[in-house]
Amino acid sequence: GENVEQHPSTLSVQEGDSAVIKCTYSDSASNYFPWYKQELGKGPQLIIDIRSNVGEKKDQRIAVTLNKTAKHFSLHITETQPEDSAVYFCAASHRDDKIIFGKGTRLHILP
Amino acid sequence: DTAVSQTPKYLVTQMGNDKSIKCEQNLGHDTMYWYKQDSKKFLKIMFSYNNKELIINETVPNRFSPKSPDKAHLNLHINSLELGDSAVYFCASSQEGQGCYTFGSGTRLTVV
Repeated sequence: GENVEQHPSTLSVQEGDSAVIKCTYSDSASNYFPWYKQELGKGPQLIIDIRSNVGEKKDQRIAVTLNKTAKHFSLHITETQPEDSAVYFCAASHRDDKIIFGKGTRLHILP
Repeated sequence: DTAVSQTPKYLVTQMGNDKSIKCEQNLGHDTMYWYKQDSKKFLKIMFSYNNKELIINETVPNRFSPKSPDKAHLNLHINSLELGDSAVYFCASSQEGQGCYTFGSGTRLTVV
């Protein structure tokens, strides 16, 4: 079955700097890669996603890149702000009814 | 408000008890899920239902029994609770073919 590895597990970034979270997946049939943000006491919330027919997608300060050959995908957050502090999960799926999550990255934005 | 709502938000109970967590979505989605999040924040799928039919049942003890009376509801019943069942349980829903999940705010279960 699919296995998703996520790094780093914890990331501290100075406010205003960029943050990058990286994931790898094992199942070459996976074609959908969402990213979720989980704030304290809340459920995960989708922030951006990418399908395998696209190499990059951007939405304001967040962007996701996908390298299908290497089975890597990454989340980039630019100009980080205090409200970006949260746990971020990458995920992969080749069936829309089952997505497999990475183990999460706790992002701290330092003042 | 359109959302996935689950109740209760907190549940503290003794070992050996039976408890239920309820979930409802008013998004018109046809697939619902239960995920377990442990103390290390790992999110692991437990069950998935599509139009009231079970489609995913991961390696979960049979003390856990999901029930879907209609496609807007997916409840989770747990028998003979154990200390290791303590976790946050998330309900989620999605529209078939779209892959984007909407999560509830979670139920923190503590077994003492």
